[in-house]
Amino acid sequence: QVQLQQSGPGLVKPSQTLSLACAISGDTVSSNSAAWHWIRQSPSRGLEWLGRTYYRSKWYYDYAISLKSRITINPDTSKNQFSLQLNSLTPEDTAVYYCARSPIHYFYIDLWGKGTTVTVSS
Amino acid sequence: QSALTQPASVSGSPGQSITIPCTGTSADVGGYNYVSWYQQHPGKVPKLIIYDVSNRPSGVSNRFSGSKSGNTASLTISGLQAEDEADYYCLSYVSSRTLVFGGGTKVTVV
Repeated sequence: QVQLQQSGPGLVKPSQTLSLACAISGDTVSSNSAAWHWIRQSPSRGLEWLGRTYYRSKWYYDYAISLKSRITINPDTSKNQFSLQLNSLTPEDTAVYYCARSPIHYFYIDLWGKGTTVTVSS
Repeated sequence: QSALTQPASVSGSPGQSITIPCTGTSADVGGYNYVSWYQQHPGKVPKLIIYDVSNRPSGVSNRFSGSKSGNTASLTISGLQAEDEADYYCLSYVSSRTLVFGGGTKVTVV
């Protein structure tokens, strides 16, 4: 059974960089049959897709256009995990952040991490 | 990429059917059969209930069904039950190789 275990800080200061990790068990980050996503949710913005990475002979990355200048998603095959970095944080980035999985060649989320509540505040 | 448009709330009585629309454009909902729907109870993680417009994952009640016409996808809940009270979100693939969610609909069983 595949599981996603999230880790990272719950409080980050404005202008700093958020770093979250998602450890995968029961599958591999370099699987040819899955893509790995980051999604966030806030009361004001609802659910917001942030980006994804997947491996098909090489690594691919897709990011939400609104965040493209601030976001990086990195796979780490040595730890079998993937990470989210979001820089230049503002209070509007306060949200619950989820890592998630979709089957490759498909565009639905079939597995979610438990979520990490991130507050951006000084 | 703007969020897909969903009504903020829909309500119905037990046993009734309700439909939640999800409106996009030809670049997302209308252009691909890659619309999925998620149910989220308070404090819980979203749960996949429909994928690829009208397919139900194993274990999801057949009271949930999906369809699409033009740029609008729809989720129908038949035989509404108290346990269906939750937030519902649509998600669509976009031509820019990204994904976009709807704003969410709160379903109330009155």
